[in-house]
Amino acid sequence: AQSVTQLGSHVSVSEGALVLLRCNYSSSVPPYLFWYVQYPNQGLQLLLKYTTGATLVKGINGFEAEFKKSETSFHLTKPSAHMSDAAEYFCAVSGTGRRALTFGSGTRLQVQP
Amino acid sequence: DAGVTQSPTHLIKTRGQQVTLRCSPKSGHDTVSWYQQALGQGPQFIFQYYEEEERQRGNFPDRFSGHQFPNYSSELNVNALLLGDSALYLCASSTQGGKLFFGSGTQLSVL
Repeated sequence: AQSVTQLGSHVSVSEGALVLLRCNYSSSVPPYLFWYVQYPNQGLQLLLKYTTGATLVKGINGFEAEFKKSETSFHLTKPSAHMSDAAEYFCAVSGTGRRALTFGSGTRLQVQP
Repeated sequence: DAGVTQSPTHLIKTRGQQVTLRCSPKSGHDTVSWYQQALGQGPQFIFQYYEEEERQRGNFPDRFSGHQFPNYSSELNVNALLLGDSALYLCASSTQGGKLFFGSGTQLSVL
């Protein structure tokens, strides 16, 4: 069984500030981990994913995440927030194969000018 | 190259009715998954189709059923609609082990 917990349903940062969105997972098998972004009235867009190998994963739009097995965490960061980053962010976990994703409840990121 | 397309974009039904949602996968993709996203929540996996068969299923009742056609497109059917079925229904397509591409969804309102 797999699950994801996203800490903080709402996060507000100033433009140019560090973005940190937290995600902890639980998985009975080596996990595949994902971060997705959802803009209003749109579907989900993949930001980045971790499968195996390097634990620091770089994604699109300047985002990156680090897989920490000892902490069962996969936090998403971006050094400098832009107004266009305002959206809903979802962390997700899956097992291997043609896998179903288990999503967290999401974190809404607000960027203040 | 068109991505994942879903129809209709919005739908209003009343309790007890039946609904069919449609999904065309991205070109070259053979696997279709359906997710339900209730307001303020993350998407929940309904089921996945590959080679015209249901391969995986989430914790959803039998009122939720689906189909995949030879051209890989898919339908999601929901019978005996409940108010709680109101949600955004997302379709995602992929190749085996590949990246999931999501459509923009169908917003279903049950009155």
